Amino acid sequence: DAKTTQPPSMDCAEGRAANLPCNHSTISGNEYVYWYRQIHSQGPQYIIHGLKNNETNEMASLIITEDRKSSTLILPHATLRDTAVYYCIVRVGRGSTLGRLYFGRGTQLTVWP
Amino acid sequence: NAGVTQTPKFRILKIGQSMTLQCTQDMNHNYMYWYRQDPGMGLKLIYYSVGAGITDKGEVPNGYNVSRSTTEDFPLRLELAAPSQTSVYFCASSYGQGAYGYTFGSGTRLTVV
Repeated sequence: DAKTTQPPSMDCAEGRAANLPCNHSTISGNEYVYWYRQIHSQGPQYIIHGLKNNETNEMASLIITEDRKSSTLILPHATLRDTAVYYCIVRVGRGSTLGRLYFGRGTQLTVWP
Repeated sequence: NAGVTQTPKFRILKIGQSMTLQCTQDMNHNYMYWYRQDPGMGLKLIYYSVGAGITDKGEVPNGYNVSRSTTEDFPLRLELAAPSQTSVYFCASSYGQGAYGYTFGSGTRLTVV
């Protein structure tokens, strides 16, 4: 039960912003939205997470809608090295579902030169 | 600071053989996890641990065993290997639950023939 819906693939030109959408319409009030990426069968890499507010770090920005039913990961200036599978995950803040990072199939982002 | 280290990186087993996948972390994380990833699929949780001496089953625990005698180490044991266990295995750790990201190892690619 991945609880999220992502497009299977997206393309982006190098140097342009990549905007990856995610729907999580059944998200609960205490569930965070996490983004990870996996480059060519390496271990997944943490990117960013948020609860309600928009977040930004050195890798990306996360925009969460006011109703929290969807979010967008933004890579402001995509490079070829950003080609990867991107996973959007919702996860409870605490409690019995510890470890339940439900990885769906994610979005394959391909950055073109 | 090595992060999460997994050994071996590759292994071929014959049906019925046993082996232990090693995982160690040097970040003093209490929480550790084992995931498997089948081709083209997301990750599925096998076992997790919230601290030394404490382990619990995830989504797909059958055919596996774990132990956690120290904070640093979380080995995964495969008994009587079967072709269905052919997969890439990832170990991960986190400081806590909820608002903490996971750090993943680079994976062990296991083939059972």
